Amino acid sequence: QVRLQESGPGLVTPSETLSLTCTVSGGSISDYYWSWIRQPPGKGLEWIGYIYNSGSANYNPSLKSRVTISVDTSKNEFSLSLSSATAADTAVYYCARVRRFCSGGSCATYYFDYWGQGTLVTVSS
Amino acid sequence: SYELTQPPSVSVSPGQTASITCSGDKLGHKYACWYQQKPGHSPVLVIYQDVKRPSGIPERFSGSNSGNTATLTISGTQAVDEADYYCQAWDSSTVVFGGGTKLTVL
Repeated sequence: QVRLQESGPGLVTPSETLSLTCTVSGGSISDYYWSWIRQPPGKGLEWIGYIYNSGSANYNPSLKSRVTISVDTSKNEFSLSLSSATAADTAVYYCARVRRFCSGGSCATYYFDYWGQGTLVTVSS
Repeated sequence: SYELTQPPSVSVSPGQTASITCSGDKLGHKYACWYQQKPGHSPVLVIYQDVKRPSGIPERFSGSNSGNTATLTISGTQAVDEADYYCQAWDSSTVVFGGGTKLTVL
C-alpha cells in the first residue's frame, strides 16, 4: 500500500520561503510522477506542479515564478519550495501520486490516485 | 486558461440519484475524473478516465463525459456520500480542478 506523508513547518513568515517534503513509502518514487496540490481554508483545490524522477517538472502558470519541486530518489521523497510567501499561500498542502494515461507517445490525462493526509501551512508574522 | 465549472451545491434524498455536473469547453474531448472529499480528510479518487472506478469505490458511483459536460452520478445515494466533489481535467500540460460541489443528503 502506497503511503505519502507531508512534513515541514506549520508557520511561515511573510516574504520567506515555504518548504515542504513528501516521503513516499510502499513503493519506489522512481516509477511515477509526483505532485503538490493545495487547498486554502474553506476553498477548493489548486494544482501546484508535478515532477518525475529525472527532475523534469511542470508548474501551474500562476505559481511558476515562485515554485520549485525537486526529487531525491535515494530518500524516496520529493519537496516543494514556494518563495516570497504571503497570506494568500496559507493552505493545506497535499502531496499526491500522479497517474497518466498515455498512448502513441502522448498523454491524454493526468490524475491523482494516492494522496497524503495534508499539512496546514499558515503564512503569518 | 482552461476552466471547469461546477454547481456550488446539490441536494438529494437518501436512496435517490444524485448528479453533479462539470462544464468546460469541449470537455468531452478530454478525460475527466472526480474526487470525493469529506471534512478534515484528503480527497479520494472516485472516477477516472471519465467512467472508470478505482478499486474499492462502490458501484453506485458512475461517470460520463460528452460535449461540454462531464457528470458524476451517484445511484441510491447514502448518507455517507455527503461530501464535497471536485472534477479535474488535463489541458495543455496543466491540471485543472473545478470549484467543487457540496453534496447534501437530506
